[in-house]
Amino acid sequence: AQSVTQLDSHVSVSEGTPVLLRCNYSSSYSPSLFWYVQHPNKGLQLLLKYTSAATLVKGINGFEAEFKKSETSFHLTKPSAHMSDAAEYFCVVKGQAGTALIFGKGTTLSVSS
Amino acid sequence: EAGVTQFPSHSVIEKGQTVTLRCDPISGHDNLYWYRRVMGKEIKFLLHFVKESKQDESGMPNNRFLAERTGGTYSTLKVQPAELEDSGVYFCASSQDQPGVGGELFFGEGSRLTVL
Repeated sequence: AQSVTQLDSHVSVSEGTPVLLRCNYSSSYSPSLFWYVQHPNKGLQLLLKYTSAATLVKGINGFEAEFKKSETSFHLTKPSAHMSDAAEYFCVVKGQAGTALIFGKGTTLSVSS
Repeated sequence: EAGVTQFPSHSVIEKGQTVTLRCDPISGHDNLYWYRRVMGKEIKFLLHFVKESKQDESGMPNNRFLAERTGGTYSTLKVQPAELEDSGVYFCASSQDQPGVGGELFFGEGSRLTVL
């Protein structure tokens, strides 16, 4: 069965410093992986997706993620945090059967000035 | 272009009552999904419509939940009778194509349900 594990429930960074949100996945075959973000009182928004093309995936707002099969990881990074990046981030894998997306528990990113 | 719209944004009901949540997908999106996040837990899949047909309802927790999508446009999710454990945020999403084949899901802001 597919699953994702977000290794940190909360990450705090200072504005201008790098962001790293960690995600490990479990899959019996080549997975489709996504990162979604939810800002307060907003819907979930797709940041980026990996579907077996390039292993380094670039998303919106300067975020990127690297698919590492050997480490079963799909960590989300950004070189320089901005105050507007403060939100909850979800690592997501598409289920093997059907079309359900399987979400991690989420990581709340706090950005201080 | 309007996004996915959900109504109500917040509903407070007593145990045993009935609540109906509504979702209006993005116009032209055949795929409509319901997800739920119970407090402190992951967001979990409930079901998937393709037009008016239920493609996958494997995530529906029990028969107190009834989802419909008459005419393949908006969808409703009814909880009857509501129990305390039904409290959470119910998300609706729509897409033109299915995920994994390039389809991006567009989510609404969610309907928060509180059962007292």
